[in-house]
Amino acid sequence: GDSVTQMEGPVTLSEEAFLTINCTYTATGYPSLFWYVQYPGEGLQLLLKATKADDKGSNKGFEATYRKETTSFHLEKGSVQVSDSAVYFCALSPSGGSNYKLTFGKGTLLTVNP
Amino acid sequence: NAGVTQTPKFRVLKTGQSMTLLCAQDMNHEYMYWYRQDPGMGLRLIHYSVGEGTTAKGEVPDGYNVSRLKKQNFLLGLESAAPSQTSVYFCASSYEDRAKNIQYFGAGTRLSVL
Repeated sequence: GDSVTQMEGPVTLSEEAFLTINCTYTATGYPSLFWYVQYPGEGLQLLLKATKADDKGSNKGFEATYRKETTSFHLEKGSVQVSDSAVYFCALSPSGGSNYKLTFGKGTLLTVNP
Repeated sequence: NAGVTQTPKFRVLKTGQSMTLLCAQDMNHEYMYWYRQDPGMGLRLIHYSVGEGTTAKGEVPDGYNVSRLKKQNFLLGLESAAPSQTSVYFCASSYEDRAKNIQYFGAGTRLSVL
C-alpha cells in the first residue's frame, strides 16, 4: 500500500538557518504530494502541493519539488523564523480511481529559536 | 467564513461512556473525513464519507461509528469509550473534484478517556 516516510524530529534551528525536512513516498503511478503544517493548538493547513513530476510547490518561502526518480518531496526554506515553529506533515493522494484519501507521514516537529 | 468547525473542543469521559463529536463545514464539500492524531503516529483515518448518506471505513475504524445525514455535517460516535481512544480527533473536508483535492481541517477535539 501507499506510504510516506519523513525524517524524524524534533528539529531545532536558530532563526535564519536553512531548513530541510526529508520526505519519501511509496505509491503506484503519479500521486499528488502535499506538505501540511500544524501550528500549536490548531488543525492542519495546507502549506504547498505538487501534482506531477518536476512540479515545484511553494508558499511562504517554503519550497518542495516532486522528484519521481527518487520518489521524494523534500521541504526546504532558506531562512526560518520563530513563527515557523510547528509540526510539518508530508502526505500523498493516490493517482487513480475516486480514492481521495490522504496518507500522512508521522510528522516532524520544528522549533526555531531566536 | 467558518470553514470546518468541530465541537466540543475538549472532553473527558469515563471508560464505558458514550459521546458524539460533531463536524460541520460550510464550503459545500462532498467529502468529509475523521482522523485521530496520536504522538509518533501521525494522522490515521477513522472513517470517511464521499457524500450525504454514505460512509466508509478508514484505517482504524474499530470502536467508532459515523453518520452523514446532512451534507454539511459528519458525526463521529463512540458507543463505549476506552482509554485507547484518548487522542486528538480532527475532521476534514474536501471537494470531489480531484483538481481541487485539498483537505481543510478543523481545530480538533481533545478527548481523554479515564
